[in-house]
Amino acid sequence: DQQVKQNSPSLSVQEGRISILNCDYTNSMFDYFLWYKKYPAEGPTFLISISSIKDKNEDGRFTVFLNKSAKHLSLHIVPSQPGDSAVYFCAASPDSNYQLIWGAGTKLIIKP
Amino acid sequence: NAGVTQTPKFQVLKTGQSMTLQCAQDMNHNSMYWYRQDPGMGLRLIYYSASEGTTDKGEVPNGYNVSRLNKREFSLRLESAAPSQTSVYFCASRVMSASYTDTQYFGPGTRLTVL
Repeated sequence: DQQVKQNSPSLSVQEGRISILNCDYTNSMFDYFLWYKKYPAEGPTFLISISSIKDKNEDGRFTVFLNKSAKHLSLHIVPSQPGDSAVYFCAASPDSNYQLIWGAGTKLIIKP
Repeated sequence: NAGVTQTPKFQVLKTGQSMTLQCAQDMNHNSMYWYRQDPGMGLRLIYYSASEGTTDKGEVPNGYNVSRLNKREFSLRLESAAPSQTSVYFCASRVMSASYTDTQYFGPGTRLTVL
């Protein structure tokens, strides 16, 4: 039973355009969400996060949107650059819990 | 400041062999984690240590043991390796301040193959 789902295994986007990565969750107790980025042969690195008290968080080219009623979040990258090609993981954390629940990841390919 | 380091980077074992994966962090973090990542799946938590001296099971602990040797080091042991344990193993650490929102920092991973 996957509590965090990333339904698109891969996504291909033209350089300079917007990349939109999606994530759905089932547990309404989740109240903190994170996006991590992973390059081949490296560990994941933190990208951006959002608390359930917000519906948007922005950091440079990266914006995360949270729709609590739909249990859906998305990561927007504008404009997309070749260095953004990586696997992106969505993760969620329940209140007062040390553990993160991870999605399966979406491989983003930025085409020149 | 090396962050989180893991050894070895690669390992091939035969079924039934044992081995220990080593992890160390130099960021003075309180909490440490061991995950495995399998193709088409997200990271799954094997064990974690919220603070020095404590360890707890995660989602997939069977077949593994851990030791929090000190604040810096957290090792993962496979006593009798099985092909189902073929995976990429990641160690992570986290400050674990009063806010549970602080992020986890990951090592580069150990790619383990069990024949």
